[in-house]
Amino acid sequence: ETGVTQSPTHLIKTRGQQVTLRCSSQSGHNTVSWYQQALGQGPQFIFQYYREEENGRGNFPPRFSGLQFPNYSSELNVNALELDDSALYLCASSRGQSSYNSPLHFGNGTRLTVT
Amino acid sequence: AQTVTQSQPEMSVQEAETVTLSCTYDTSESDYYLFWYKQPPSRQMILVIRQEAYKQQNATENRFSVNFQKAAKSFSLKISDSQLGDAAMYFCAYRGETSGSRLTFGEGTQLTVNP
Repeated sequence: ETGVTQSPTHLIKTRGQQVTLRCSSQSGHNTVSWYQQALGQGPQFIFQYYREEENGRGNFPPRFSGLQFPNYSSELNVNALELDDSALYLCASSRGQSSYNSPLHFGNGTRLTVT
Repeated sequence: AQTVTQSQPEMSVQEAETVTLSCTYDTSESDYYLFWYKQPPSRQMILVIRQEAYKQQNATENRFSVNFQKAAKSFSLKISDSQLGDAAMYFCAYRGETSGSRLTFGEGTQLTVNP
């Protein structure tokens, strides 16, 4: 069983640029969610995708957007990068749209640094 | 809105001893899950243990057990016979019946295990 994989592992961008982070969900999982984890803090929910549609969003501005593909892999896009966007971005996959008892499986994250 | 609070930023324990990490939460939902995740330096979130609110019996996974006090909205993690490999950041997390795959995390507790 293949786990959740994220790429790249590290990324350095300049303020104002755009970035795309990628996630391959675990085999058999059709729901992907993204989290932002600032240094020394707990992860914050960004949004969730199910069947290629966003169906849940946290308190993040519209410049944070995403995609989910037919194979359930996903992208997180961030436009107009700000210094405060520097964080670890975690992807998690699970089975089912609203099965809150379905365990989440996390990837190793992408460390984004904005200078 | 649901909140999760971990009041111990750091804890330490001697190898082979027992340590308890604290967590409190607030919610108005009637059914939910509570989780403890471990995040080692590898950055991956690893599920340690989970508890469903409707189950009165406290969850146990080998050396890990919880003390779930629903009325007090308290959910502590006990690690018995601590091992060097237990050293990590530990996060308490909440997922409710209306949450989908959204997890609400606490701020985390950094656990050090001394040889």
